[in-house]
Amino acid sequence: SAVISQKPSRDICQRGTSLTIQCQVDSQVTMMFWYRQQPGQSLTLIATANQGSEATYESGFVIDKFPISRPNLTFSTLTVSNMSPEDSSIYLCSVETGSNEKLFFGSGTQLSVL
Amino acid sequence: GEDVEQSLFLSVREGDSSVINCTYTDSSSTYLYWYKQEPGAGLQLLTYIFSNMDMKQDQRLTVLLNKKDKHLSLRIADTQTGDSAIYFCAERTPDNDMRFGAGTRLTVKP
Repeated sequence: SAVISQKPSRDICQRGTSLTIQCQVDSQVTMMFWYRQQPGQSLTLIATANQGSEATYESGFVIDKFPISRPNLTFSTLTVSNMSPEDSSIYLCSVETGSNEKLFFGSGTQLSVL
Repeated sequence: GEDVEQSLFLSVREGDSSVINCTYTDSSSTYLYWYKQEPGAGLQLLTYIFSNMDMKQDQRLTVLLNKKDKHLSLRIADTQTGDSAIYFCAERTPDNDMRFGAGTRLTVKP
């Protein structure tokens, strides 16, 4: 398994501001993923963060709104830009390990936008 | 169907068995998973099963897979109050995508 540290664990932000979420893994991983979990809904993949190249975004998510960095094989950040109340959600970092059949998650960031 | 489907709520008494059901989308999915999420925490991988198996047992957890009906279940024996959480079913599709259900909130009453 992988130990994934994510911070902040929660934040309350004002409309129009930006928040950067950090994700640190205790081992080198090729693929890191960012998910959004809205209340009562399933997880939605925002993007896949690849080391050394631009992130790959899913339909409905764009780089200007959710810029991602992946400077090395153990770290990634997700920024939620120009926030609105609709961005209030839990954001989760995840990684695949081993032969890639297992997906592990960080503890999540609970974001509330006022 | 397009979505992984689960019942939203399940309530059991402490000591009883819990059975959480899931219908997934793709009969060719390679792996099926159960995750547990406690309040304020991320998703914890509980167990998973390869698609060529029909059952997997791990201590109090039993996973049953019916590929024909695309049905996955998680049975928790001797359910404890610490088992109260949200349980997510997930599938890994042949395209290597992960699809998640909306989660089943299990409440265990003393």
